[in-house]
Amino acid sequence: AQSVTQLGSHVSVSEGALVLLRCNYSSSVPPYLFWYVQYPNQGLQLLLKYTTGATLVKGINGFEAEFKKSETSFHLTKPSAHMSDAAEYFCAVSGANNLFFGTGTRLTVIP
Amino acid sequence: DAGVIQSPRHEVTEMGQEVTLRCKPISGHNSLFWYRQTMMRGLELLIYFNNNVPIDDSGMPEDRFSAKMPNASFSTLKIQPSEPRDSAVYFCASSTTQLGIGSDGYTFGSGTRLTVV
Repeated sequence: AQSVTQLGSHVSVSEGALVLLRCNYSSSVPPYLFWYVQYPNQGLQLLLKYTTGATLVKGINGFEAEFKKSETSFHLTKPSAHMSDAAEYFCAVSGANNLFFGTGTRLTVIP
Repeated sequence: DAGVIQSPRHEVTEMGQEVTLRCKPISGHNSLFWYRQTMMRGLELLIYFNNNVPIDDSGMPEDRFSAKMPNASFSTLKIQPSEPRDSAVYFCASSTTQLGIGSDGYTFGSGTRLTVV
């Protein structure tokens, strides 16, 4: 069975600081992994995804994530936080026919 | 493309009333998903369709919930009768693939915020 665990429902960082949002997954097959972002009163938007190939994946808005099979992790990072990054972030893993989403991490950026 | 279009954006209804949520997916997307988002339970998959056919409705909470996709450009989620615990944001998403591995992944609508009083 597939599942996703996002460590930390709330993360606060100062503007300009490193952003690190953690995601661990469980999958019985080689997974596809995703990060989505949700801004207030909007639907989710794809930030980046890993399917095959290079394990370091770059997405929009300067975010990147690295697939580490040995650690079953897919943590999301950004070197320097911007105020506009404040949002909720969801990690997702592929199942047989659809995606399983984590419970989300709300990122607050402190000026 | 205008993206995934959901209507209404907000719905307030009284307990016991029928509620119908609507979704127009992106043209050419053959997978459609209905999700429910609440603070307590997060994002839950209710049902998904592939080529207008319901594939898995195991996430539909009760018989009060039903979903249809009569054609490739329209889907509805109906709750009858509605209850206060159905209050949530309901999202529709569409994709070119069931797993969202296409370039845009799943494209979500802006959601319908349902309040049942």
